[in-house]
Amino acid sequence: AQSVTQPDIHITVSEGASLELRCNYSYGATPYLFWYVQSPGQGLQLLLKYFSGDTLVQGIKGFEAEFKRSQSSFNLRKPSVHWSDAAEYFCAVGAVSNSGYALNFGKGTSLLVTP
Amino acid sequence: DTGVSQDPRHKITKRGQNVTFRCDPISEHNRLYWYRQTLGQGPEFLTYFQNEAQLEKSRLLSDRFSAERPKGSFSTLEIQRTEQGDSAMYLCASSFVGEQYFGPGTRLTVT
Repeated sequence: AQSVTQPDIHITVSEGASLELRCNYSYGATPYLFWYVQSPGQGLQLLLKYFSGDTLVQGIKGFEAEFKRSQSSFNLRKPSVHWSDAAEYFCAVGAVSNSGYALNFGKGTSLLVTP
Repeated sequence: DTGVSQDPRHKITKRGQNVTFRCDPISEHNRLYWYRQTLGQGPEFLTYFQNEAQLEKSRLLSDRFSAERPKGSFSTLEIQRTEQGDSAMYLCASSFVGEQYFGPGTRLTVT
């Protein structure tokens, strides 16, 4: 069975500091991996995705993530955090079926940005 | 380009009542998904449509839940005899191939 673990429930960083959010997955085949961001009361916005190819993927808002098969990880990074990045971040893995895929999400990491 | 829309955004109902939510996907997307998100958790998959065919259902989707996508466009999710445990955010997503795009969700509160 597939699963996604986000070890950090809350993270606090200072504005301008670098950020890394951790994500570990368990999946039998090559996974489809995603990072989404959710602001309070809002739906989910896709930050970036990995399907295949280059293991370092670039996303929107200056985010990037690196797929490391040997570590079953897909950590999200940003070199300099802005106050507007404060939100809930979800890592997800896609379980491919015959015609599509259902996303399996981690429990999320809440990011607080301090001045 | 309009995104995924959901209606209503908020719903308060009394235990035992039936509720129905609507999702309008991005127009060219043939795949539509429903998820449920409770407080402090990530979304959990409920069901998936390709065009009008419902191809997957999670074990979370009890007999009180039913979803339809009659013409392969919008979809409805109905909960019968609501229970307090049904209180959650219900999210809809759509895709063509690849990534899923989410709507703003319907927040259900069962009193």
